[in-house]
Amino acid sequence: ILNVEQSPQSLHVQEGDSTNFTCSFPSSNFYALHWYRWETAKSPEALFVMTLNGDEKKKGRISATLNTKEGYSYLYIKGSQPEDSATYLCAPREAGTALIFGKGTTLSVSS
Amino acid sequence: SQTIHQWPATLVQPVGSPLSLECTVEGTSNPNLYWYRQAAGRGLQLLFYSVGIGQISSEVPQNLSASRPQDRQFILSSKKLLLSDSGFYLCAWSPGGYNQPQHFGDGTRLSIL
Repeated sequence: ILNVEQSPQSLHVQEGDSTNFTCSFPSSNFYALHWYRWETAKSPEALFVMTLNGDEKKKGRISATLNTKEGYSYLYIKGSQPEDSATYLCAPREAGTALIFGKGTTLSVSS
Repeated sequence: SQTIHQWPATLVQPVGSPLSLECTVEGTSNPNLYWYRQAAGRGLQLLFYSVGIGQISSEVPQNLSASRPQDRQFILSSKKLLLSDSGFYLCAWSPGGYNQPQHFGDGTRLSIL
């Protein structure tokens, strides 16, 4: 079973700050990595699916990078807004297995 | 467009009682279906997934079971609930294939008394 670590566990920033989180996972047998955003009182929403080493994906002010050789992915938020407040989950998968979710990084953005 | 329905939204059950949570998907065919649980202070834990009717894979041994009687229907059941079954249960679907994002239902908050 994959051991997925996300850091920091929680983060509080001011509106306009840029921030980033880390997802670490075993690099052997890597197949894909998913990022999800989970807002309070809502269901998780898919942000990115990444498969290739060096992948970089962007969606508005949010972007993510992937290093499969060293087993980590970074999620960046540029110019954080209060509506970015949520828990951000990463979920890698190995070949032939289902996603394994990390515990997430909870971001709080103050205006 | 595709939608996923999960019910009930909240449920309070006594220890030892049975459980049935239902999830249906509309607007797609032959989806992959998933049941997750988030217990207090823990991350999302995959309980079951299904790639087709009658095909269920269990990730964690426990007193829960899942069934897929129809292509777009996924049911989570228990004959006798334990206190440790309390948590937030999420159903999700994805198109077939390994690199497709999952789409989640609104979840069921289950409290065991």
